[in-house]
Amino acid sequence: DIQMTQSPSSVSASIGDRVTITCRASQGISSSLVWYQQRPGKAPSVLIYSAFNLQSGVPSRFSGSGSGTDFTLTISSLQPEDFATYYCQQAKSFPWTFGQGTKVEIK
Amino acid sequence: QVQLVESGGGVVQPGTSLRLSCAASGFTFSTYGMHWVRQAPGKGLEWVSVISYDGTVQHYANSVKGRFTTSRDSSRNTLYLQLSSLRAEDTAVYYCAREGTPYTSAWVDSWGPGSLVTVSS
Repeated sequence: DIQMTQSPSSVSASIGDRVTITCRASQGISSSLVWYQQRPGKAPSVLIYSAFNLQSGVPSRFSGSGSGTDFTLTISSLQPEDFATYYCQQAKSFPWTFGQGTKVEIK
Repeated sequence: QVQLVESGGGVVQPGTSLRLSCAASGFTFSTYGMHWVRQAPGKGLEWVSVISYDGTVQHYANSVKGRFTTSRDSSRNTLYLQLSSLRAEDTAVYYCAREGTPYTSAWVDSWGPGSLVTVSS
């Protein structure tokens, strides 16, 4: 199975800050990488698919980059509604696997 | 508007079985692959299974292979997950989710609110 490792596991940030989350795959997955946001008590929602494609309706402050084994999710200017947990997930091969999550907290 | 609603969760004893259902509406169910993803209390997301748009192909996580079975009934627009030989570590909220595009498996773009399964004696 492909292992996905996210860092950091948590980050404290202020409104307006730039936040970067990284995700590393244990083997190359080309661009088959998805980013999800999950607010407390809610189902996840997709932000980015195929490494850098913004899901319809997602604010442009979210962006994704990377290919192969190393990927990044960037929030350019953190907003109050962005405080949540973020997960990466590889869709290169089954079983799909998620990273352990990154919790973005208010500083 | 895509809508997915899970049902069938509850409290069950170890070793027993349970069937979850996911009622789908707002899209052509028979053209989309469907997934189950679970989340143990306070933990991260764990992918469980997928079934192809036509029901002919399924894949499972190693942790549930041989114990869980995914199926679908396109005449009822419903996805199922049969859980057998349940263990305490199967305790989780189970989400059904739809793939982002028809006929392919690349990401999921719609999720149900989830159904809680608690395995406890």
